[in-house]
Amino acid sequence: DIQMTQSPSSLSASVGDRVTITCQASQDITSSLNWYQQKPGKAPNLLIYDASNLESGVPSRFSGSGSETDFAFTISSLQPEDIATYFCQQYDSLPLTFGGGTKVGIK
Amino acid sequence: QVELVQSGGEEKKPGASVKVSCQASGYIFTNYGISWVRQAPGQGLEWMGWISAYNGATDYAQKFQDRVTMTTDTSTSTVYMELRSLRSDDTAVYYCARPSGSYPSYFVLWGQGTLVTVSS
Repeated sequence: DIQMTQSPSSLSASVGDRVTITCQASQDITSSLNWYQQKPGKAPNLLIYDASNLESGVPSRFSGSGSETDFAFTISSLQPEDIATYFCQQYDSLPLTFGGGTKVGIK
Repeated sequence: QVELVQSGGEEKKPGASVKVSCQASGYIFTNYGISWVRQAPGQGLEWMGWISAYNGATDYAQKFQDRVTMTTDTSTSTVYMELRSLRSDDTAVYYCARPSGSYPSYFVLWGQGTLVTVSS
């Protein structure tokens, strides 16, 4: 199984700050990497697919980059509504696997 | 509208089985597969497996291979996930999720989740 190592596990930042989360795959997954946002009591919501493609309707302050084993997810200017947990997920091979999540809070 | 609606929460005793349903609407059911993803309280996301709504083909995560069965009913556009021999660590919210295409990739549509509680 492909292991996805996500860091940090939590962070606090101020409104307007740039926030970056990283995800490392245990083997080359090309660009088969997605990012989700999950708010408490809700299902995850797709933000970025194929490493860098913004899902329709998602604000442009969210972005993704990377390939092979190293990926990054960035919020360019943190907003109060971005308080949530973020997960990466690979689909290069089954079983699909997720990162452990990053809980983002406001300072 | 396009949505997945899951059955309600369940309370089960250890050793029992649970069957969760996921009814699709607003799209051509047989054009897509459905995956099941679970989330234990305060924990991360865990993919359990996938079923093709086109031909019923399945692929289960090895961890659940012996205990899970996923089925479809095309007449009602419903997918079912049955988990047997329940243990306390199966307590989780179970989600069905639909990818953008027929094969598991990125999930653009999720059910609302079904809480399964396993307790004696």
